[in-house]
Amino acid sequence: NAGVTQTPKFRVLKTGQSMTLLCAQDMNHEYMYWYRQDPGMGLRLIHYSVGEGTTAKGEVPDGYNVSRLKKQNFLLGLESAAPSQTSVYFCASSYGRGVDTQYFGPGTRLTVL
Amino acid sequence: AQSVTQLGSHVSVSEGALVLLRCNYSSSVPPYLFWYVQYPNQGLQLLLKYTTGATLVKGINGFEAEFKKSETSFHLTKPSAHMSDAAEYFCAVSDGNQFYFGTGTSLTVIP
Repeated sequence: NAGVTQTPKFRVLKTGQSMTLLCAQDMNHEYMYWYRQDPGMGLRLIHYSVGEGTTAKGEVPDGYNVSRLKKQNFLLGLESAAPSQTSVYFCASSYGRGVDTQYFGPGTRLTVL
Repeated sequence: AQSVTQLGSHVSVSEGALVLLRCNYSSSVPPYLFWYVQYPNQGLQLLLKYTTGATLVKGINGFEAEFKKSETSFHLTKPSAHMSDAAEYFCAVSDGNQFYFGTGTSLTVIP
């Protein structure tokens, strides 16, 4: 099992450009999450999904969109990147809700110039 | 809303010394509590978790944590630090739906 994988690992964007981050999991998990990690702020939840075709907003959803067309994939989109979105993005998945362990991907380091 | 406070953003210990990383939470419902570890340039991985039952929870790599409801705490300990324990540690609380992470504690182990 590959677990949770993220594509790409690194990316540099100019302000206003768009991009999509891909998260894939091969554990048949229902729940998937997108977090951003910033120095001194820990991890903050952007969006999450409780199953194929569903999405919900987390703590910091503004400027991001997500889609879960297939159970194994969770996409995070930035329509018009801003320097404030420079961060490390982590995807995670879990079998069920809050008591279940979240499994994390290796992260995507995004820089917006 | 839930929140997590980790006291001390940086902790240094000597190799072989006790590791104590502090975590306090606020929760309006009985919480589920977690400790995750992050090694450089990697994602987070679970160390241990408390859901119900025994309040002293043992995890991987010799770590353990005790849930103290009266103190709203879930401190992480390890009797003897090893060089390989150097990493970032995150405490998290779940209300059964979302996770809320603390800001992290960076552990340095001095040889």
